[in-house]
Amino acid sequence: GQNIDQPTEMTATEGAIVQINCTYQTSGFNGLFWYQQHAGEAPTFLSYNVLDGLEEKGRFSSFLSRSKGYSYLLLKELQMKDSASYLCAVMDSNYQLIWGAGTKLIIKP
Amino acid sequence: DSGVTQTPKHLITATGQRVTLRCSPRSGDLSVYWYQQSLDQGLQFLIQYYNGEERAKGNILERFSAQQFPDLHSELNLSSLELGDSALYFCASSVGVTGVTGELFFGEGSRLTVL
Repeated sequence: GQNIDQPTEMTATEGAIVQINCTYQTSGFNGLFWYQQHAGEAPTFLSYNVLDGLEEKGRFSSFLSRSKGYSYLLLKELQMKDSASYLCAVMDSNYQLIWGAGTKLIIKP
Repeated sequence: DSGVTQTPKHLITATGQRVTLRCSPRSGDLSVYWYQQSLDQGLQFLIQYYNGEERAKGNILERFSAQQFPDLHSELNLSSLELGDSALYFCASSVGVTGVTGELFFGEGSRLTVL
């Protein structure tokens, strides 16, 4: 079956750095996505990785290793507004998105 | 603003009833997706339409049905409602079957409460 694993919850301190991991086992691979979702709101797109390596976008970076079936989202200089759930999703060989359950990130002052 | 419009934003109804949720995709987007998200749960994919045709089906109950109309708006019909159907229902759209990068644009959701 297809499976995406990410931690249920993480806590970090304002101003610090946090890494949210995602491992996947899917039927084929056509890209990995990270979305941010504040409580009760719609998910919003953060990043897309299809090749191995690091993609940097401001305070957020996303890394992919296709051979290891692994990705992480790195958030730097954490702000209180970064408190949200972070969803990892993989596009499989049928170009369908397989979603992880999400990681709830709690930022403490 | 993602450009995806969902109505109604909130809906309260009773068990056994039937409701219809409506979604207008972003201008130019041909694909519409429906997702269910129960409290503190992940996104559950229900169904996808592309240019009026059903493209993919997820864990959609038989009591639920959807369609995409010629003007590309979509409706999700939920019938014989149960307490467990209370959830946020999101609609999302993309340019193509998956979009250039697969990015989905989500509406603000319809919060359904079944009493």
